[in-house]
Amino acid sequence: QKEVEQDPGPLSVPEGAIVSLNCTYSNSAFQYFMWYRQYSRKGPELLMYTYSSGNKEDGRFTAQVDKSSKYISLFIRDSQPSDSATYLCAMSEATGGGNKLTFGTGTQLKVEL
Amino acid sequence: GAGVSQSPSNKVTEKGKDVELRCDPISGHTALYWYRQRLGQGLEFLIYFQGNSAPDKSGLPSDRFSAERTGESVSTLTIQRTQQEDSAVYLCASSLTSGMVETQYFGPGTRLLVL
Repeated sequence: QKEVEQDPGPLSVPEGAIVSLNCTYSNSAFQYFMWYRQYSRKGPELLMYTYSSGNKEDGRFTAQVDKSSKYISLFIRDSQPSDSATYLCAMSEATGGGNKLTFGTGTQLKVEL
Repeated sequence: GAGVSQSPSNKVTEKGKDVELRCDPISGHTALYWYRQRLGQGLEFLIYFQGNSAPDKSGLPSDRFSAERTGESVSTLTIQRTQQEDSAVYLCASSLTSGMVETQYFGPGTRLLVL
């Protein structure tokens, strides 16, 4: 079993839809949770970062962490064609000495006009 | 300012040959990470450098893989006697420090194909 599970998609939605992306994980030591966006043939870029459980909102993006269920989500409101990309969840332990990230496989999202 | 750069952007090699991949981090970033992204899989951590400390090599998949970094500048990842399963995108990231809250900035990656 992988430490982080993520549905690879592809997920296709109409413009303006609310998108829900999710990851589950098995390592209870994970404390830091991130969502990265990766456009084709580009490196990942950080979208959202959350420490421990709770919600965080940034514009059209909301990240949720439920540590009791080992489940994290990213919601995108009013989705736009420019949101079409692969979304990767990533996590790390609070052990210090470096921030090694464990990634999900990524979910490919397409927002259609 | 300039982001993380990597070279070459693409590399095709024959099985058994050695390859060297280069990463130029953002100036002033003390931490540097290498990850591998195989088709259909998530990024896998390979190695991490922080300043002049000994690198964390815990993610290197075999002794054919090695990496160096000179001070807080350029890093090279070397794969000896390449195998077909080494085909992947190799991504480098740098961050200001190695702290948990520091954003890792990724380069565009080197796409390696081993024939």
